[in-house]
Amino acid sequence: DIQMTQSPSSLSASVGDTVTITCRASRTISHYLNWYQQKPGKAPKALILAASSLQSGVPSRFRGSGSETEFNLTITRLQPEDFARYYCQQSFSTPPYTFGQGTTVEIK
Amino acid sequence: QVQLQESGPGLVKPSETLSLTCSVSGGSISRYYWTWIRQSPEKGLEWIGCVYHTGFTNYNPSLESRVSISLDTSKSQFSLRLNSLTAADTGVYYCATGEGGSGNFQYWGQGALVTVSS
Repeated sequence: DIQMTQSPSSLSASVGDTVTITCRASRTISHYLNWYQQKPGKAPKALILAASSLQSGVPSRFRGSGSETEFNLTITRLQPEDFARYYCQQSFSTPPYTFGQGTTVEIK
Repeated sequence: QVQLQESGPGLVKPSETLSLTCSVSGGSISRYYWTWIRQSPEKGLEWIGCVYHTGFTNYNPSLESRVSISLDTSKSQFSLRLNSLTAADTGVYYCATGEGGSGNFQYWGQGALVTVSS
C-alpha cells in the first residue's frame, strides 16, 4: 500500500492567517492526490483533485500544489468556516486508495 | 448533482454480517465507480472497495476475504456486505463516487454509524 503522511497533525491559527498542510506519499504518485475537508458529524468534502484542481464552489483561498511524493494544501486568509479537519488521499494506485491521517486546523 | 444515501442497521453482533445499501439519485448508476469508505478513530479513513456498472469490483486486500460490493441498476442502488464482524469494524460507513476515475470522491452520503457489539 502507498502510505500517506500528513504534517502537522494539528495546528492553531487565527482568522486571516495563511496555513500550509503537507502530505507525503511513500512512493511517487505523480499528480494523483486529492484533498478533503471534514467538519464534525459530516462526510468529507472534496476541495482539490489531481493535486491542484479546485473543485466547483470551493473558494479560491484554497490552493493545492506539488507532485510525485510531496504535496501542499495552502489556505490563505483563513475564514471561520475553514476550521475543520483536512485529509489527503492518493488516487494513483489501487487497491487500495489510501488517506492521510488528517490535520486539524483549530482556532487560536 | 449526484446524491447518495446509506441505509442499514446501526447495531450488528460480532461474527455476523453487515449489509448496507446506498441509494443513488441525480445521476445514472450506469457510469462512475461506486465506492464504500469507512472511518474510525483507530484507522481513520479506509477505502473498502468499489463496483463499476459492468460488475467489475475492486477490494481493499485487508478486507477482501470478508467483503462483497454489488450493484442493482434497476433500483439505482449498490450494496456492501461485510462478514465475520468484530469490534474493529465499528465505525461510520460512507458510500461515495466521483468523476475522473475510481479514486476521486466528489460525492458522499451522509454516513451510517455501525456499531459491532453483543
